[in-house]
Amino acid sequence: SAVISQKPSRDICQRGTSLTIQCQVDSQVTMMFWYRQQPGQSLTLIATANQGSEATYESGFVIDKFPISRPNLTFSTLTVSNMSPEDSSIYLCSVDHQPGADTQYFGPGTRLTVL
Amino acid sequence: GQQLNQSPQSMFIQEGEDVSMNCTSSSIFNTWLWYKQDPGEGPVLLIALYKAGELTSNGRLTAQFGITRKDSFLNISASIPSDVGIYFCAGPTGSARQLTFGSGTQLTVLP
Repeated sequence: SAVISQKPSRDICQRGTSLTIQCQVDSQVTMMFWYRQQPGQSLTLIATANQGSEATYESGFVIDKFPISRPNLTFSTLTVSNMSPEDSSIYLCSVDHQPGADTQYFGPGTRLTVL
Repeated sequence: GQQLNQSPQSMFIQEGEDVSMNCTSSSIFNTWLWYKQDPGEGPVLLIALYKAGELTSNGRLTAQFGITRKDSFLNISASIPSDVGIYFCAGPTGSARQLTFGSGTQLTVLP
């Protein structure tokens, strides 16, 4: 399996500010995914990030609010923009380590609290 | 989009007991995945199932891919304290095989 790290592991932010979350993988992967896990809830996909193309966003998520970069095959960033308390969640990145296997491996998550 | 209905929502069991949880969908899935999430961590893949009727084990964990391809079951035998956590079923959908997750089963193991 891939080893995935995320930075920061947690942060407390003021409303109206933005936070960029980094995701680093120890091997090259085609697909990277960003999920949100609201308190006490399951995981919801925000977007799929493919290297060299624009991210594909799920219904209810927009690029202006959650801009994503995917500069190479081992790295991606998710920015949470103009934050409000409703954005307080755990943000997780995952990778499709074995194309065709349908399995994804997850990073440890970034716990965001917005005051 | 596709939804996965997972039950039970939570379970309190005595150490040593067996546990069973399941996941159902109104749509067919070609792959079923089971993850466990510990507090403060990301989900960890436990078992992947690829064929209808398939029964796969990983230590004390056994998962089955339902014959109809619309459900899956996870069993844990002889539970121990480190089994505590949230268990999620998941299935890939869409062209990028992005995952849809069930609502999760919170497992508590009492000594």
